[in-house]
Amino acid sequence: QSILTQPPSVTGAPGQTVTISCTGSGSNIGAGYAVHWYQHLPGTAPKLLIYSDSNRPSGVPDRFSGSKSATSASLAITGLQTEDEGDYYCQSYDNSLSAHHVVFGGGTRLTVL
Amino acid sequence: QVTLKESGPVLLKPTETLTLTCDVSGFSLYNTKMGVSWFRQPPGKALEWLGHSFSNDDKSYKTSLKTRLTISKDTAKSQVVLIMANMDPVDTATYYCARVRKAVSGPRDDFFDMWGQGTSVAVSS
Repeated sequence: QSILTQPPSVTGAPGQTVTISCTGSGSNIGAGYAVHWYQHLPGTAPKLLIYSDSNRPSGVPDRFSGSKSATSASLAITGLQTEDEGDYYCQSYDNSLSAHHVVFGGGTRLTVL
Repeated sequence: QVTLKESGPVLLKPTETLTLTCDVSGFSLYNTKMGVSWFRQPPGKALEWLGHSFSNDDKSYKTSLKTRLTISKDTAKSQVVLIMANMDPVDTATYYCARVRKAVSGPRDDFFDMWGQGTSVAVSS
């Protein structure tokens, strides 16, 4: 069971918009720690998509955007493309006694029909 | 061009010790704004952070694995090594190394901007 909760899967058609949620608690996202998002496509290395809640690294299309509020964060992907199909992970920091380190969400499998 | 590449054994027996090497290029392990972290992903499961190492020898490990993990580095060779003792079949996973970028807002907001392709490790008798 991951400390950050993501939906196991989301589906969208090419051109549509999907949103992936990442729900935490007061010991991680709610404590104000930054949320980062990674894309993991089949057979490739994970790729940083969004850092510090809403910033895109150079080279990441503006179709990808991140937001954060209270104990949750979201990744929105507009203008879905077939090459977006893969797994998406949120990441933050948790300061609870049982964790006190980097934590990931369980991942969301994006299917583009 | 920044690259990271993991290497190590593909198959281990239970109780053996895993040693993985991460060869980095395109940045220096002397850089105080960067470090290297290790992760793993068991088949069908999520990414899991294992630990990190920075230029000042600052290290941190996942709490539940702390007694089994050691991360060291050879700065001159641009290598970071992960050692995990007493391997078990549940440790079967793809292991990744990644570059840590220090966040302006503090170490708890650090993120991982470049990743290796990963190396698969199976533990079986």
